[in-house]
Amino acid sequence: DTGVSQDPRHKITKRGQNVTFRCDPISEHNRLYWYRQTLGQGPEFLTYFQNEAQLEKSRLLSDRFSAERPKGSFSTLEIQRTEQGDSAMYLCASSSSGGAKNIQYFGAGTRLSVL
Amino acid sequence: AQKVTQAQTEISVVEKEDVTLDCVYETRDTTYYLFWYKQPPSGELVFLIRRNSFDEQNEISGRYSWNFQKSTSSFNFTITASQVVDSAVYFCALSGDSNYQLIWGAGTKLIIKP
Repeated sequence: DTGVSQDPRHKITKRGQNVTFRCDPISEHNRLYWYRQTLGQGPEFLTYFQNEAQLEKSRLLSDRFSAERPKGSFSTLEIQRTEQGDSAMYLCASSSSGGAKNIQYFGAGTRLSVL
Repeated sequence: AQKVTQAQTEISVVEKEDVTLDCVYETRDTTYYLFWYKQPPSGELVFLIRRNSFDEQNEISGRYSWNFQKSTSSFNFTITASQVVDSAVYFCALSGDSNYQLIWGAGTKLIIKP
C-alpha cells in the first residue's frame, strides 16, 4: 500500500504564472484534503473532496485557487497568477470513510517558491 | 469557533530526558477528535494518535503517552527517555464529527541533544 503521493516536490515559478500540483491519495481512500503550510505554522485547511464532490471550498484563499478531483481518484490544485505570498508548502491528505474515517494521512508536500 | 493552542514554541532537552508537549483546545462540539502529528525535518506529517471526545483513557504506545483531560481541555503528549530521532515539530489538531477539516496548533519544535 503506497502512501499519498504529491508531484512535483518543488516548484519554482515567476510571479504571474499559473501552477498546478497533483495529489494521488491512498487507493482505497475516498476523502482528499488540501492544506497550505507556511514556515513556522501549522497547516491551514483549503478544501476537501469526498469522491469527486468538493464538499468544502470556502477556505480557498482567493478565486485564484481552484481544485478538482474529476474521477474521484487523483486531485489537482491550481493557482492562477501566482503572487509572492503564495510561496508555501502545499499538502495533500487522504482518509477513508470507515472506522478510521477522519485519520488523515499526508503526502510529502509540494514546496512552491514564487519569485 | 474551534482553536488549538500549543504554547511551547520550542523545547530543547538532553537525550534520555522525559519531555511533555502541551496542547489546549477550544470547541463547542460535544463530539470531536484530537490528534497528534509529527513533522520531522524531511517535512512529511506523520500521524501518531487520534482520540475521540468520549474516551478519556490515557494511551501509551512504547515511549509515547497521551493524557486527555476534558476538564481542562487538554491533550498533552509525553515522550519518555527521549532519543535524538524524536527531534521534530509536533502538531496537535482538532476536528469535529461532521466536518473533518483539521484545526491545527502552531506546533512545538522539539530538539533532542545527544
